[in-house]
Amino acid sequence: EPEVTQTPSHQVTQMGQEVILRCVPISNHLYFYWYRQILGQKVEFLVSFYNNEISEKSEIFDDQFSVERPDGSNFTLKIRSTKLEDSAMYFCASSTGLAGGQETQYFGPGTRLLVL
Amino acid sequence: SQQGEEDPQALSIQEGENATMNCSYKTSINNLQWYRQNSGRGLVHLILIRSNEREKHSGRLRVTLDTSKKSSSLLITASRAADTASYFCATPRAAGNKLTFGGGTRVLVKP
Repeated sequence: EPEVTQTPSHQVTQMGQEVILRCVPISNHLYFYWYRQILGQKVEFLVSFYNNEISEKSEIFDDQFSVERPDGSNFTLKIRSTKLEDSAMYFCASSTGLAGGQETQYFGPGTRLLVL
Repeated sequence: SQQGEEDPQALSIQEGENATMNCSYKTSINNLQWYRQNSGRGLVHLILIRSNEREKHSGRLRVTLDTSKKSSSLLITASRAADTASYFCATPRAAGNKLTFGGGTRVLVKP
């Protein structure tokens, strides 16, 4: 069964460093998402991406964050200058787009980011 | 409470028993989704129920939706130790595709 994959599974970085989290959504899915979950807290929406542009973003997704679909398979989240509070599990998700984004979202296993 | 709040926060049952958890939400929805998360792992989609559906089954899972009360319930029948996980409800906004998650119900199934 197709699944969303994410790399790396764990990343440790120093405050102020740039990190790129990578995701391979399910092929033929049209909508892509990033969420994050700070330890012990709710899963929070960051951004959705459709037709090569951001379709929606949360207030968390400030200028330090960016997303890109550099080729036909990868979807990346970049954090330009990491802060301690960026430490979290980051989930990528994708959906078919058959219901305009209202359909089931399939999540990857996550990247655990630790900022020191 | 916020959109997509689960109740109870934690549940401990014996293997073989049923587990029921509830989710309340505030705004109108097109559908409501339930996810499972094993400790420190990814989110696994369990079931999606549309706003015009009242009940849906998938294996040992039964989900109900009451749009008049803005609530949903997830029932796991004949629970197994492997069902130990956190369970979240999530709702997309009526316009847009952002999923809003609740805080989850932590279920412990004791063998």
